[in-house]
Amino acid sequence: GNSVTQMEGPVTLSEEAFLTINCTYTATGYPSLFWYVQYPGEGLQLLLKATKADDKGSNKGFEATYRKETTSFHLEKGSVQVSDSAVYFCALIGNSGYSTLTFGKGTMLLVSP
Amino acid sequence: GAGVSQSPSNKVTEKGKDVELRCDPISGHTALYWYRQSLGQGLEFLIYFQGNSAPDKSGLPSDRFSAERTGGSVSTLTIQRTQQEDSAVYLCASSSESRGRETQYFGPGTRLLVL
Repeated sequence: GNSVTQMEGPVTLSEEAFLTINCTYTATGYPSLFWYVQYPGEGLQLLLKATKADDKGSNKGFEATYRKETTSFHLEKGSVQVSDSAVYFCALIGNSGYSTLTFGKGTMLLVSP
Repeated sequence: GAGVSQSPSNKVTEKGKDVELRCDPISGHTALYWYRQSLGQGLEFLIYFQGNSAPDKSGLPSDRFSAERTGGSVSTLTIQRTQQEDSAVYLCASSSESRGRETQYFGPGTRLLVL
């Protein structure tokens, strides 16, 4: 079956530091890949997505590139802000069967001033 | 425009009681999903509705869980004879599903606590 593995947190950074959250996946064929974010007390929001190999998703300064050869979709941001503190979920939808999301366990990011 | 809404936002119940959770998807979205977010299990898929097709119930953890979607819009998730391990945040999502694998938009969730 499909699965997503992401680095455990919490990840603690100072403001303006560089962020990487690793995500790797197992799936047949070419899944669609997503990063969702959950801010404290709020629901899940789509951050970015990529639907085919070598695509780069980007939003709010965050980027992730779909790497088929390494089955990875690592999330990066060049300079984090305190307001980026949240839980980040990597997820995929497989390319066969029903289009349900398979999530990683989430990575909490804490950014201090 | 209006997003996915869920009610109630919080629900406290006693073990053994039945509960109903409601989801109103984004207008025009044909696909509707229920997920569960718990400390031990992370985010898990429960059930998926697409148009008039038979729902995918493969994620339901037991026969105490059921869901229906009336008129292709509002959905209700019912948990019968609740157990303490049912305590979690229940999330609903919808998508346009016009080409498959479309973005799913999530509601704020219902936080269920079973005492």
